[in-house]
Amino acid sequence: AQKVTQAQTEISVVEKEDVTLDCVYETRDTTYYLFWYKQPPSGELVFLIRRNSFDEQNEISGRYSWNFQKSTSSFNFTITASQVVDSAVYFCALSESYNTDKLIFGTGTRLQVFP
Amino acid sequence: DVKVTQSSRYLVKRTGEKVFLECVQDMDHENMFWYRQDPGLGLRLIYFSYDVKMKEKGDIPEGYSVSREKKERFSLILESASTNQTSMYLCASSPIAGGFIDTQYFGPGTRLTVL
Repeated sequence: AQKVTQAQTEISVVEKEDVTLDCVYETRDTTYYLFWYKQPPSGELVFLIRRNSFDEQNEISGRYSWNFQKSTSSFNFTITASQVVDSAVYFCALSESYNTDKLIFGTGTRLQVFP
Repeated sequence: DVKVTQSSRYLVKRTGEKVFLECVQDMDHENMFWYRQDPGLGLRLIYFSYDVKMKEKGDIPEGYSVSREKKERFSLILESASTNQTSMYLCASSPIAGGFIDTQYFGPGTRLTVL
């Protein structure tokens, strides 16, 4: 069955530390998409990245980077030199080709960055 | 930029009241979704719609109904609000992309309290 697991419920770091948010997924499909969303205290989910299952290249966008490894079914998200504005809940999600009804979300990881 | 708006950020209703939550998107997206978000449970899909006047049940449709009379507008209806429907409600929209659910864009959310 399809599933997304974010085992880290809450992470606290001090500003400028690097932090990695873990995401492990389960799917029987060979074609799928993975997503990361950020939910700041204001409540709105902000789209960060989409990655398809055929593209295992790591992606970097400023201080954000994503490590996709099909061998371990993981799509981890790293924030380098974290800032207070990075404090938010982060969700990982999965979309499959045979189950086109919905995104399957993880339960989220709350990141708190202290000054 | 994609914009998804929700009619209210905060709403307080009494048990038994009929409640309407409105969502409007301005990007001509085919798909629209209603989720509820509760601590520790992540996002759970209530209903979604892939076309005008079409609707499909999500994971937790009980106690809710929806209406989509126009492509840009998707309404969530609580026929008789109950205290266990106190939650954050998030609306999203997405285009169709090759049969997949593509990136979903979210509104700011409505925090509903039922007394």
